[in-house]
Amino acid sequence: GENVEQHPSTLSVQEGDSAVIKCTYSDSASNYFPWYKQELGKRPQLIIDIRSNVGEKKDQRIAVTLNKTAKHFSLHITETQPEDSAVYFCAASDRGRRALTFGSGTRLQVQP
Amino acid sequence: KAGVTQTPRYLIKTRGQQVTLSCSPISGHRSVSWYQQTPGQGLQFLFEYFSETQRNKGNFPGRFSGRQFSNSRSEMNVSTLELGDSALYLCASSLGWTSSNEKLFFGSGTQLSVL
Repeated sequence: GENVEQHPSTLSVQEGDSAVIKCTYSDSASNYFPWYKQELGKRPQLIIDIRSNVGEKKDQRIAVTLNKTAKHFSLHITETQPEDSAVYFCAASDRGRRALTFGSGTRLQVQP
Repeated sequence: KAGVTQTPRYLIKTRGQQVTLSCSPISGHRSVSWYQQTPGQGLQFLFEYFSETQRNKGNFPGRFSGRQFSNSRSEMNVSTLELGDSALYLCASSLGWTSSNEKLFFGSGTQLSVL
């Protein structure tokens, strides 16, 4: 099955700086890569996703890049704000199990 | 539309007992998947149901089971509880027939504590 590794596990940045979270996956057949944000005590919510036929996708301050050859994808947050503080999970589709395999999460802390 | 609803929010059980968790998906969503969330482990896939049929299953022991009703509501059951079952159990619904390539809408979860 699919295996997703996510780094770093914690990330602290100053407000206004950029943050980058990286994930690698094992199944070259995976074709869908979403990112979920989970604020403290809240439910995970999709913030952006990308499919394997696209190399990059951007939504305001958030962007995701995908390198299919290297089997890794990254979340980029620019001009970070305190409200970006949360745990971020990457995921990859597991074609065998027809389910999403999630990374272990990155706790992002944006210091005002 | 109402979001995904999970009940109860909190449960405290003792080892050996069994527990049933409930999930009501967003109206019109027919796929319900369940995840176990523990600190540092991310979200581990348990199983997924579509049209009352279990479509796929994660790597959990047979003590974990589930079902889905004709109105798409789903229940998850854990028998013979162990201390390691303490976790936040999240369910998610999606519109299509598989959760693997579309947006998931999560519930707030049921926090299970096994003493």
